[in-house]
Amino acid sequence: TQLLEQSPQFLSIQEGENLTVYCNSSSVFSSLQWYRQEPGEGPVLLVTVVTGGEVKKLKRLTFQFGDARKDSSLHITAAQPGDTGLYLCAGAYDYKLSFGAGTTVTVRA
Amino acid sequence: GAGVSQSPSNKVTEKGKDVELRCDPISGHTALYWYRQRLGQGLEFLIYFQGNSAPDKSGLPSDRFSAERTGESVSTLTIQRTQQEDSAVYLCASSLAVGPYNEQFFGPGTRLTVL
Repeated sequence: TQLLEQSPQFLSIQEGENLTVYCNSSSVFSSLQWYRQEPGEGPVLLVTVVTGGEVKKLKRLTFQFGDARKDSSLHITAAQPGDTGLYLCAGAYDYKLSFGAGTTVTVRA
Repeated sequence: GAGVSQSPSNKVTEKGKDVELRCDPISGHTALYWYRQRLGQGLEFLIYFQGNSAPDKSGLPSDRFSAERTGESVSTLTIQRTQQEDSAVYLCASSLAVGPYNEQFFGPGTRLTVL
């Protein structure tokens, strides 16, 4: 089993603040994906990172894949209440995804 | 409405009963996955279907769990003799391609409660 650990488990911040979520593993993945899940819905893909050291930006979200392709981070700048949700990282190997337990982010207005 | 759909959205059953959960994938998606998500936890892989290949059942937690898929369309997940620990959200996902950019599209899930 290839395990992904996410930290922190919960994060509550004020609107306008920045936040970072971490995803770590001892395993190497062919790619790493970040999903966001809202209550009562399935996860929705935010980004896929493939190359070690890769950085991708999606508006106020910045995703980084570690050089060794074992870890990743998600940074949100100037968080807004609409960023509230469960953020899940998932490491891909072959056709499977191994998911972390998720980080619940709450952005207070 | 081209997304993945699942039914029922909620299911409450008594311990020992059988339940059947349904997933309609996105048309044309050859790959289909079932996951289980317990409260406060990540997604746990259950089973994978790809076209006409033999399914990967390595994630099924016990022989009470089984799943079928008709061609490249509907899939059903059956849990026999349900136990309280089976209570969870069961998510289905489908994807078009396999590879590092494999994007899985998820349905809204079925929330199963076993009393």
